[in-house]
Amino acid sequence: QQQVKQSPQSLIVQKGGISIINCAYENTAFDYFPWYQQFPGKGPALLIAIRPDVSEKKEGRFTISFNKSAKQFSLHIMDSQPGDSATYFCAASIQGGKLIFGQGTELSVKP
Amino acid sequence: KAGVTQTPRYLIKTRGQQVTLSCSPISGHRSVSWYQQTPGQGLQFLFEYFSETQRNKGNFPGRFSGRQFSNSRSEMNVSTLELGDSALYLCASSLDGGPGANVLTFGAGSRLTVL
Repeated sequence: QQQVKQSPQSLIVQKGGISIINCAYENTAFDYFPWYQQFPGKGPALLIAIRPDVSEKKEGRFTISFNKSAKQFSLHIMDSQPGDSATYFCAASIQGGKLIFGQGTELSVKP
Repeated sequence: KAGVTQTPRYLIKTRGQQVTLSCSPISGHRSVSWYQQTPGQGLQFLFEYFSETQRNKGNFPGRFSGRQFSNSRSEMNVSTLELGDSALYLCASSLDGGPGANVLTFGAGSRLTVL
């Protein structure tokens, strides 16, 4: 019940295309859903986050869509750029800072 | 504003040895969490410290321990190292209290190789 399932494991997108990564969870006590971006040799960096009382949040080219009834949330990267090539992790947490991470998606954006 | 600083960045140990990793959080951050990252298991929570007290603990054996000092700096220790302990160990800090409590800022990690 503590798991967060992420798909796909890897994703190749053409420059200018839309990248979509999906996550699903079981524990309805989760109250915070961040997405992290990690480049090789670096730690994960917070990209965007959402709470379950909101169905969508947009920051620049990055959008989280949240479906509370389906217990799913997704990251959409519009106009994907080669600089977006990285590993993306969804996560979920309950108050206290403990994050449960998905397995990660390796995104490659081809020029 | 300086980020989360982890030292050392890379280290090599042999089985049976112990290792201590250090983490300096962002100034003003009072919570420090540790995560282990491996290709097979992904990112897994080790423990969280707040005001020098362990507030939360993941499912790791007792060989993994940590502590936090009065200046919020934290250390984690792994004793009797096993090959499977080879991983990137990530420290993250956050403010505490209110909606910001869950915004974690990660360091670059300490990459441990056990031979």
